Amino acid sequence: AQKVTQAQTEISVVEKEDVTLDCVYETRDTTYYLFWYKQPPSGELVFLIRRNSFDEQNEISGRYSWNFQKSTSSFNFTITASQVVDSAVYFCALSEARRDTGRRALTFGSGTRLQVQP
Amino acid sequence: KAGVTQTPRYLIKTRGQQVTLSCSPISGHRSVSWYQQTPGQGLQFLFEYFSETQRNKGNFPGRFSGRQFSNSRSEMNVSTLELGDSALYLCASSPEQNARSNEQFFGPGTRLTVL
Repeated sequence: AQKVTQAQTEISVVEKEDVTLDCVYETRDTTYYLFWYKQPPSGELVFLIRRNSFDEQNEISGRYSWNFQKSTSSFNFTITASQVVDSAVYFCALSEARRDTGRRALTFGSGTRLQVQP
Repeated sequence: KAGVTQTPRYLIKTRGQQVTLSCSPISGHRSVSWYQQTPGQGLQFLFEYFSETQRNKGNFPGRFSGRQFSNSRSEMNVSTLELGDSALYLCASSPEQNARSNEQFFGPGTRLTVL
């Protein structure tokens, strides 16, 4: 069975601070995909990144960066120089890659609420 | 391209009633999935439809059902509503060419309150 753990329930930082959101996952599959989504107060889940299990390269996109470490089953997300607009709930999710019985459901973590104070 | 749209955005029902929620996927996307989000259980997968067929189902009682039309629009129905059904219901669509990566694009959700 798959499982995603986001141990940080809520994080509060002051604008311009760097913040890292932790994600630890469990799966028995050798091929899988990891995702990060952002959920602002409006409710819509906004896709941020997808990473497959064969690609352990870290990725940077503007102020966002992701660190995938297969050895520790972690896929952490760092926001550099945080801004008030980054305030949201962030979800880490996992999906198996098999297609034999249709698209696999995303397994979500419980989310981390990030509050960025001005 | 327009994103995933869901109607209505807010709904209030009473116990015992039934409700139908609607989802229009991104143009060209044929896979539609539904998720329930509650404070206690988090985000949980309900079911997935592709070409008018249910391909995958989560662990929810039979009161939860869905369907998909030939234009890929999907509806989900909850019968005999219970207080615990109060939740944000999210719909997601996916392009089939990305089936292996399972990239899903979510709508704004329908917030259902059961009184």
